[in-house]
Amino acid sequence: GAVVSQHPSRVICKSGTSVKIECRSLDFQATTMFWYRQFPKQSLMLMATSNEGSKATYEQGVEKDKFLINHASLTLSTLTVTSAHPEDSSFYICSARGGTSASGAKNIQYFGAGTRLSVL
Amino acid sequence: SQQGEEDPQALSIQEGENATMNCSYKTSINNLQWYRQNSGRGLVHLILIRSNEREKHSGRLRVTLDTSKKSSSLLITASRAADTASYFCATAFSGGYNKLIFGAGTRLAVHP
Repeated sequence: GAVVSQHPSRVICKSGTSVKIECRSLDFQATTMFWYRQFPKQSLMLMATSNEGSKATYEQGVEKDKFLINHASLTLSTLTVTSAHPEDSSFYICSARGGTSASGAKNIQYFGAGTRLSVL
Repeated sequence: SQQGEEDPQALSIQEGENATMNCSYKTSINNLQWYRQNSGRGLVHLILIRSNEREKHSGRLRVTLDTSKKSSSLLITASRAADTASYFCATAFSGGYNKLIFGAGTRLAVHP
């Protein structure tokens, strides 16, 4: 099956620093990638939708200047948490979807293993 | 809220028993998907059911969809300890990039 690699799996940083998280589709071209945030024992909250070569679409309430998303190629999207603060500590998960079909397997999202961010 | 609702929030059963989880959503959908998440990990896709389908099977999984009630259920038969995980339903909407909106999830614990 399709594989999505997310790196790093865990990061601890000081308040005020920026953290970059990478999401790579290893064996398919991902026209669309998604970034989610998950708090303990809660569901995934969609932060933004990222399309290769265009600006990301952010969900309501997500600060685009705080969470910078770059989707420079069909296999790589990055999320940068700028000037991180303790309230940004969370589990961040990316997913990738290939193709544009409205049905079938191409509608499935393949998820990375997640990045646990702890801001001290 | 982005989320649909799932019930129960937590379910504890013995190995061999069946586990049923329910999901409700709010708007019209293209399809509904169920995902599994082991603690602290990413999600794994289990099954997709289209809006014009009513039931679908995959191994020990059975999914139903009732679009009139805007609800779905996931049944895991003959559960195993390895089925212990959180299970999420996710709905895909028409248009745009078919982004998924996830339900609150059900935490399933299967005891040996």
